[in-house]
Amino acid sequence: DTAVSQTPKYLVTQMGNDKSIKCEQNLGHDTMYWYKQDSKKFLKIMFSYNNKELIINETVPNRFSPKSPDKAHLNLHINSLELGDSAVYFCASSRTAGGLRGEQYFGPGTRLTVT
Amino acid sequence: GNSVTQMEGPVTLSEEAFLTINCTYTATGYPSLFWYVQYPGEGLQLLLKATKADDKGSNKGFEATYRKETTSFHLEKGSVQVSDSAVYFCALSPSQPGNQFYFGTGTSLTVIP
Repeated sequence: DTAVSQTPKYLVTQMGNDKSIKCEQNLGHDTMYWYKQDSKKFLKIMFSYNNKELIINETVPNRFSPKSPDKAHLNLHINSLELGDSAVYFCASSRTAGGLRGEQYFGPGTRLTVT
Repeated sequence: GNSVTQMEGPVTLSEEAFLTINCTYTATGYPSLFWYVQYPGEGLQLLLKATKADDKGSNKGFEATYRKETTSFHLEKGSVQVSDSAVYFCALSPSQPGNQFYFGTGTSLTVIP
């Protein structure tokens, strides 16, 4: 069973389009995250939700909007895609936000290419 | 504040060589420390962890010891294999719940036969 799953795995789209990436975890965790990984493998946290409430909202363009319909799902919607949005986006989850049980479990990633 | 500083790569080693990837941290309180590994085309996987000072995490021949006196959590392996080629991330989870994870910048390791 896949613990943290993301769809789609690959996403190729044109500038200006709107797209969504979906994430689901079946671990019963309370906290979910979105990260962006650039071509140099640097990981940047974008958002974190704990029990469907936004707890981390890093400096990210307003074009990015997370949505958590329930604590097992955290989706990422991106409006008006730009070339600089091309990256690999990872979803992750953890039992709690930080603390001793803050160990994170990652999805396989979604490679977004904007042309 | 909290941060993780990781040895820059890339690192290239011959098979069976000894590996050390340095990681130091700054944190308030008593964080948990982790090493994650990312194989090509995949997501990050937890490699090992330590939750208190002097703990040693180990997995797949890799080891790291939580050193509070030097604020370090260096990753070591005695004999690397080609299959260990990956990007390795050091990470910190603050002791206070409600805070984010802090990742290092990653170290790319290539092991050649």
